[in-house]
Amino acid sequence: AQKITQTQPGMFVQEKEAVTLDCTYDTSDPSYGLFWYKQPSSGEMIFLIYQGSYDQQNATEGRYSLNFQKARKSANLVISASQLGDSAMYFCAMRPYYNQGGKLIFGQGTELSVKP
Amino acid sequence: DSGVTQTPKHLITATGQRVTLRCSPRSGDLSVYWYQQSLDQGLQFLIQYYNGEERAKGNILERFSAQQFPDLHSELNLSSLELGDSALYFCASSVDGSPGPQHFGDGTRLSIL
Repeated sequence: AQKITQTQPGMFVQEKEAVTLDCTYDTSDPSYGLFWYKQPSSGEMIFLIYQGSYDQQNATEGRYSLNFQKARKSANLVISASQLGDSAMYFCAMRPYYNQGGKLIFGQGTELSVKP
Repeated sequence: DSGVTQTPKHLITATGQRVTLRCSPRSGDLSVYWYQQSLDQGLQFLIQYYNGEERAKGNILERFSAQQFPDLHSELNLSSLELGDSALYFCASSVDGSPGPQHFGDGTRLSIL
């Protein structure tokens, strides 16, 4: 079964510190993509970062990096130098590339609160 | 700004009614996806269209239908609405064939009274 698990319903981090949001996945597809999205309280879904299953290096986008450990089936998001504006829900998602169309499978999300 | 436009932003209606949600994808994107976000079910994939044709179906109720038009905009039709249909409905688009991300619109918040 295709599944994304985010075990941290809520997290707190001090402003300017780094934080890691956990994500594990389960798939039998040999090729897939892993994504992180941010959903502020206003509701929109903002794409943050993408990692392909065959990518050798971990993806980075500004203050966001994805710690991809294929053997452990984990794709943790690391946010460096947290800012107050990072307070939001964060969703990990997976897209299997075979026989699944193009759908994204989402985890339940982690609510991040950044403290001043 | 993701480039994906959804209208309306908010919709309030009553049980038994029918509504239409509209989505314009990013320029150049051929695939449109519809997702439903509710408190109990989380984010669920409903349906995907590619260049006017249905590509994949998820947990979409028979009361719901969608289509993609020649100009690539898409509409999601929800009929015989029930209280449980209250949710945030997202449209996303992507360049099909690319392994990259889907870009989401701001969503339509549907409230059934």
